[in-house]
Amino acid sequence: SQTIHQWPATLVQPVGSPLSLECTVEGTSNPNLYWYRQAAGRGLQLLFYSVGIGQISSEVPQNLSASRPQDRQFILSSKKLLLSDSGFYLCAWRPGRTAEAFFGQGTRLTVV
Amino acid sequence: LAKTTQPISMDSYEGQEVNITCSHNNIATNDYITWYQQFPSQGPRFIIQGYKTKVTNEVASLFIPADRKSSTLSLPRVSLSDTAVYYCSNSGYSTLTFGKGTMLLVSP
Repeated sequence: SQTIHQWPATLVQPVGSPLSLECTVEGTSNPNLYWYRQAAGRGLQLLFYSVGIGQISSEVPQNLSASRPQDRQFILSSKKLLLSDSGFYLCAWRPGRTAEAFFGQGTRLTVV
Repeated sequence: LAKTTQPISMDSYEGQEVNITCSHNNIATNDYITWYQQFPSQGPRFIIQGYKTKVTNEVASLFIPADRKSSTLSLPRVSLSDTAVYYCSNSGYSTLTFGKGTMLLVSP
């Protein structure tokens, strides 16, 4: 069966520090991969999506970047965190556009 | 990107039917309409998906009119455990966008 792993679960980082969040999917190949951010309250903001290795589409200009070095690995990064980067970050995958998406458990990032 | 609009919150009581409507004003021809449920500090979970007309599964029904500019999620006989945020989404070939969600509060 397919599983998605996202880590860490919580993270507290100082302003100006770098960030690296990793997401991996098991049990499938060539999935569509997504990064979302959910600020305090709710609302899922799509940050990046990828349909294949090295293919990254950015939806919102920001302080973040994403990479897909392997088929089932999706990484969210920042060189210098801002206070406004705080939030709940969710990784998701799905096998195709007609299929349901499966979400990771999320990373609660607090920038201090 | 296509956006969705839905009510911020809804209240209901146990045993009632709840209908949550979403506007899909800019939905693309090839997009599907999908609904997800999210509990606090968890990732959203798929509920139901459709393209047109009506779809029903073991937990919900989804109504989509012919113009596909809206959709209605119907939850029959809600319970306290259905208290959550519900998101409608436009499910495209590669993108998957969500609105701000509807907070459903079910009371005894």
